[in-house]
Amino acid sequence: KAGVTQTPRYLIKTRGQQVTLSCSPISGHRSVSWYQQTPGQGLQFLFEYFSETQRNKGNFPGRFSGRQFSNSRSEMNVSTLELGDSALYLCASSFRSGHRTSTDTQYFGPGTRLTVL
Amino acid sequence: DAKTTQPPSMDCAEGRAANLPCNHSTISGNEYVYWYRQIHSQGPQYIIHGLKNNETNEMASLIITEDRKSSTLILPHATLRDTAVYYCIVRVALGNQGGKLIFGQGTELSVKP
Repeated sequence: KAGVTQTPRYLIKTRGQQVTLSCSPISGHRSVSWYQQTPGQGLQFLFEYFSETQRNKGNFPGRFSGRQFSNSRSEMNVSTLELGDSALYLCASSFRSGHRTSTDTQYFGPGTRLTVL
Repeated sequence: DAKTTQPPSMDCAEGRAANLPCNHSTISGNEYVYWYRQIHSQGPQYIIHGLKNNETNEMASLIITEDRKSSTLILPHATLRDTAVYYCIVRVALGNQGGKLIFGQGTELSVKP
């Protein structure tokens, strides 16, 4: 079974621009979560999408947004880029069975390395 | 904030067992212990998880103390490719509560020849 794929793998943008990152989950997985990793803050949760709806949101400004399509693929968008948005953006997918005792393991993609100049 | 405490770094000789400790003294009864690792600049890789019983898979073993306040990840025969940052995470069983992993700083394991 193919893993989580993210495109593009590397991206260079300038301040003020906007960027869209894409994530394709593992086949059959219905939930997609996004994380940002920086040397200073480590790995931080951005948001989670399930059934095309945002289910959880981390503590990030409104410039960070996302969406999920009916095939569970997800995109995240960052508008008005700042230098501090330079980071590794990671996507993780899980099945999200909905069962109360399900642990629903998340599997991560390779990430998109965004550099803002 | 992360609910776990891990040593920032550890060394291990190649071929020996690597034992990575994790403290989670405030863990709740419905929270699982998860372990991930991240090799430099790659996405985190799932290793193993458990609730209260010890668990083993092809990658590692997870030993959880009886009071569940701490756990140890064991890599039985460490290789150079096991050099990575290892993250211990506690999270509630999902149900409909959604997915949100809270990562701490992890333990940087260096496997040396």
